[in-house]
Amino acid sequence: DAGVIQSPRHEVTEMGQEVTLRCKPISGHNSLFWYRQTMMRGLELLIYFNNNVPIDDSGMPEDRFSAKMPNASFSTLKIQPSEPRDSAVYFCASNVGARWEQYFGPGTRLTVT
Amino acid sequence: GQSLEQPSEVTAVEGAIVQINCTYQTSGFYGLSWYQQHDGGAPTFLSYNALDGLEETGRFSSFLSRSDSYGYLLLQELQMKDSASYFCAVRSSNTGKLIFGQGTTLQVKP
Repeated sequence: DAGVIQSPRHEVTEMGQEVTLRCKPISGHNSLFWYRQTMMRGLELLIYFNNNVPIDDSGMPEDRFSAKMPNASFSTLKIQPSEPRDSAVYFCASNVGARWEQYFGPGTRLTVT
Repeated sequence: GQSLEQPSEVTAVEGAIVQINCTYQTSGFYGLSWYQQHDGGAPTFLSYNALDGLEETGRFSSFLSRSDSYGYLLLQELQMKDSASYFCAVRSSNTGKLIFGQGTTLQVKP
């Protein structure tokens, strides 16, 4: 099993540019989570999907952030336009149903200059 | 609101036992879980407690007291590789959503 796959692993972009982060969950997992981690704010849940449907997006910071899950094996998190304060590590995680263990991907380290 | 409190840093020596505490305030509670994260890595699941008591998994144990809104992670026979950040996380509803604490950085010294 390849685990959760995220791309890119590192992204450096200029303020105002659009950023798209990608995630492939573990095959058979039907819940997918997007997290953001910073030193100041810790690990924050941005949004999560169950069976490709967004269930809770209350953690999405503002309208500049959007997430989609067009099918069971792919999700994107888009930031448009990006700002320096969006610099963080973004993790995608997946699991099965309401099970406790979430499997995290390696993360995307985003730097917005 | 929802909040979790855990110490920011803990230091211990190799071979010792260390306890990392977590207190929580949530509007609903379905259980407490623990994750480990090495520097530069991704969080990995360690354990969960849905009921009061102690759950043991090898050198690691986790405890929960729902009446006290309190739990802890106990690490025994510490090894250098246990140096990492440890996060408690509350499941506040019957969904997969987790609320994470700020994390405790454990430094294991020789």
